Amino acid sequence: KAGVTQTPRYLIKTRGQQVTLSCSPISGHRSVSWYQQTPGQGLQFLFEYFSETQRNKGNFPGRFSGRQFSNSRSEMNVSTLELGDSALYLCASSLNKPETQYFGPGTRLLVL
Amino acid sequence: GQQVMQIPQYQHVQEGEDFTTYCNSSTTLSNIQWYKQRPGGHPVFLIQLVKSGEVKKQKRLTFQFGEAKKNSSLHITATQTTDVGTYFCAGRDTGGFKTIFGAGTRLFVKA
Repeated sequence: KAGVTQTPRYLIKTRGQQVTLSCSPISGHRSVSWYQQTPGQGLQFLFEYFSETQRNKGNFPGRFSGRQFSNSRSEMNVSTLELGDSALYLCASSLNKPETQYFGPGTRLLVL
Repeated sequence: GQQVMQIPQYQHVQEGEDFTTYCNSSTTLSNIQWYKQRPGGHPVFLIQLVKSGEVKKQKRLTFQFGEAKKNSSLHITATQTTDVGTYFCAGRDTGGFKTIFGAGTRLFVKA
């Protein structure tokens, strides 16, 4: 099976812009979770989707949003980008519960 | 809310020495997973522990889940340079669907 894919792999944006990141889970996986990883904060949970519904949400401002499509592919959107949003954004998929998770390579976002 | 603490934050070892990282949760966990992230890479799933007191081995790696299902450890025997990376534990509490990651332990191995 193909692994989790994320696009784009790298992105440079300026403050105030918005960005959309995409994640395609492993075939058959219905749960998709998003994480923000920064050197100082480790892996921070953003949200988790299952069957097109947000099942859980971390402690991030409303500028961070996501959705999941009927084919389980997921997108996350960050509006009004801030310098502090620079990070590696990781998507992880799992069969049903967000336990044994398989991570994608991540999207590295730089906000200037 | 649920918190997962992981120690130490960093560990420098000489090749051939042993290494252990510990994970402690503020709440009882349904299960715990361990991941390894190589420098510049993404987390890769290593193992999942579910039962109280469970011990699992993968070659030189030994994983333990505490009796109270609130703590876990990963022990590497005779480290090698290929063990370099950050090891994360991740646990889901018994109530919900949120998995919380520990901050990770970064392992440095000197040849």
